Amino acid sequence: DTGVSQDPRHKITKRGQNVTFRCDPISEHNRLYWYRQTLGQGPEFLTYFQNEAQLEKSRLLSDRFSAERPKGSFSTLEIQRTEQGDSAMYLCASLAGGSTDTQYFGPGTRLTVL
Amino acid sequence: GDSVTQMEGPVTLSEEAFLTINCTYTATGYPSLFWYVQYPGEGLQLLLKATKADDKGSNKGFEATYRKETTSFHLEKGSVQVSDSAVYFCALSGNTPLVFGKGTRLSVIA
Repeated sequence: DTGVSQDPRHKITKRGQNVTFRCDPISEHNRLYWYRQTLGQGPEFLTYFQNEAQLEKSRLLSDRFSAERPKGSFSTLEIQRTEQGDSAMYLCASLAGGSTDTQYFGPGTRLTVL
Repeated sequence: GDSVTQMEGPVTLSEEAFLTINCTYTATGYPSLFWYVQYPGEGLQLLLKATKADDKGSNKGFEATYRKETTSFHLEKGSVQVSDSAVYFCALSGNTPLVFGKGTRLSVIA
């Protein structure tokens, strides 16, 4: 069990550029979540997948954000035309199906938009 | 909607002091309750959880009891160590996305 991994760990970009983050969940976890954490705040839910299906999206997920999980394994989160307000830590978590409800988090990707 | 309120920090304690971080919640139904910890430069780690009323979660000397009557899940530790310095998040899960509090930063000084 290698845990949840995220890549890159840090990303610095200029306003208006597109960025893409990757999350690899724990093997065989069928649920995958994306959260955003800004300084001094708790994580806020963005979206979640069960296998390859995107089942729920928060109103925080504007049209500039898109997430995919094409084969039900890794997931990508893309932000188009980044804005300074997008600067945050983007966290990924995975959850096994069945009775457990414990989400396991990756180390996060810290995005800085200049 | 569901929400979590936890005491604001920062909290600064001397080593071996008693710790309480208060957490209350608002939720429909019967959520599971969690405490996560975030050490500097690291991701969130599950510290403990409770899935029904009167359950006590415990780990690494930390404890929290699910109190339905007061809608609370306060975190306690009898004797903190410098290595406990971190940010602590209370969270609930009614439906599957977690709802977090804002976090409480704990600093323990030797």
